[in-house]
Amino acid sequence: GAVVSQHPSRVICKSGTSVKIECRSLDFQATTMFWYRQFPKQSLMLMATSNEGSKATYEQGVEKDKFLINHASLTLSTLTVTSAHPEDSSFYICSARAGHGNQPQHFGDGTRLSIL
Amino acid sequence: AQKITQTQPGMFVQEKEAVTLDCTYDTSDPSYGLFWYKQPSSGEMIFLIYQGSYDQQNATEGRYSLNFQKARKSANLVISASQLGDSAMYFCAMRVGSEKLVFGKGTKLTVNP
Repeated sequence: GAVVSQHPSRVICKSGTSVKIECRSLDFQATTMFWYRQFPKQSLMLMATSNEGSKATYEQGVEKDKFLINHASLTLSTLTVTSAHPEDSSFYICSARAGHGNQPQHFGDGTRLSIL
Repeated sequence: AQKITQTQPGMFVQEKEAVTLDCTYDTSDPSYGLFWYKQPSSGEMIFLIYQGSYDQQNATEGRYSLNFQKARKSANLVISASQLGDSAMYFCAMRVGSEKLVFGKGTKLTVNP
């Protein structure tokens, strides 16, 4: 149980393109989803907390207009990297949690984004 | 401020032996949760084990156990009978408030045959 699906797994695109990444909880409802960014050989950095039906809460230093988050349903959150540039190249990974804070976050398989 | 420290950038262990991965944490909140995740080279994050701050006993999950020493603010992961497939990055994380996870920098474990 507690499967999170993330799509696509890899994106290579030109600078200036907007890229949408989907995160789905397949067998549970997730009122809260999380979006992380991970640089090579580094830890996960939380970008934003996505709440179903309301605006996302962004961490300090994360541009809201650059990284658009939509949590339209209890099983789907999307991250759109708008007008992506090479410095946005990274590994993006989402997670979702079923229930309260003591429950673990379950992660998607991540999206490797490469901007040329 | 909440912080997780993993002091071992890399660890090596022989197959079938046990290994301990260190994790210390810092928080002033009496209620917190500690998690360990495994990240293979393929990138996915796999939940391993959880320890709550009020749990009286150390958490165990198959070959994984958590050596929770509250006074020392440490939550070390012990992997028994290491297997080649255990080679991966291991991250310790702490739940902050009711939502966020704060991650350590990780430890790269290599299991030698």
